[in-house]
Amino acid sequence: DAKTTQPNSMESNEEEPVHLPCNHSTISGTDYIHWYRQLPSQGPEYVIHGLTSNVNNRMASLAIAEDRKSSTLILHRATLRDAAVYYCILRDVGYGGATNKLIFGTGTLLAVQP
Amino acid sequence: GAVVSQHPSRVICKSGTSVKIECRSLDFQATTMFWYRQFPKQSLMLMATSNEGSKATYEQGVEKDKFLINHASLTLSTLTVTSAHPEDSSFYICSASRGYQETQYFGPGTRLLVL
Repeated sequence: DAKTTQPNSMESNEEEPVHLPCNHSTISGTDYIHWYRQLPSQGPEYVIHGLTSNVNNRMASLAIAEDRKSSTLILHRATLRDAAVYYCILRDVGYGGATNKLIFGTGTLLAVQP
Repeated sequence: GAVVSQHPSRVICKSGTSVKIECRSLDFQATTMFWYRQFPKQSLMLMATSNEGSKATYEQGVEKDKFLINHASLTLSTLTVTSAHPEDSSFYICSASRGYQETQYFGPGTRLLVL
């Protein structure tokens, strides 16, 4: 499985934008970039995913570099409830032996200050 | 929406007993379900993948005879921890997806404590 690299932790202030980086230099053409977050003592929550183009949804935006070797999750206005561990995961959806597995790394612990 | 539930949310049992954890997809049919384990201050570790009506595929190092997985319907998968020991104490999380290339949605997790 292709690996991702994320900072161990980041801090943000409430109501300010947050940019969470992820490097995935060995990404393959059939790898989707997924972001999940996990609040304390809860299961992970799906945030967003994309392949090549930038994506927006009600939770966040995903900016994908042109060479796809990095991406950034953007929370437009951080709230205290956004404090969580954010995981950037590559998922291979190609055929021929690929699986739907998600392999979690250590993620980025986001702290939001009031 | 895509809601996944787990039951129970927490369980305490004695060493040597078996514990069953249920994972249900409430508003969609899940052809594939996954089971993860998470120890304190660590990331999620995938234990096994189960497709409805088929035997589960276990990750390397996970004992299939100890962690029995059944996925008998499109909305229910169960994980049974057999002869549980204190080292099996962990946070067990399931996820479900509609299909092979579909997004995984996670349950809230089950905290198991084996005394």
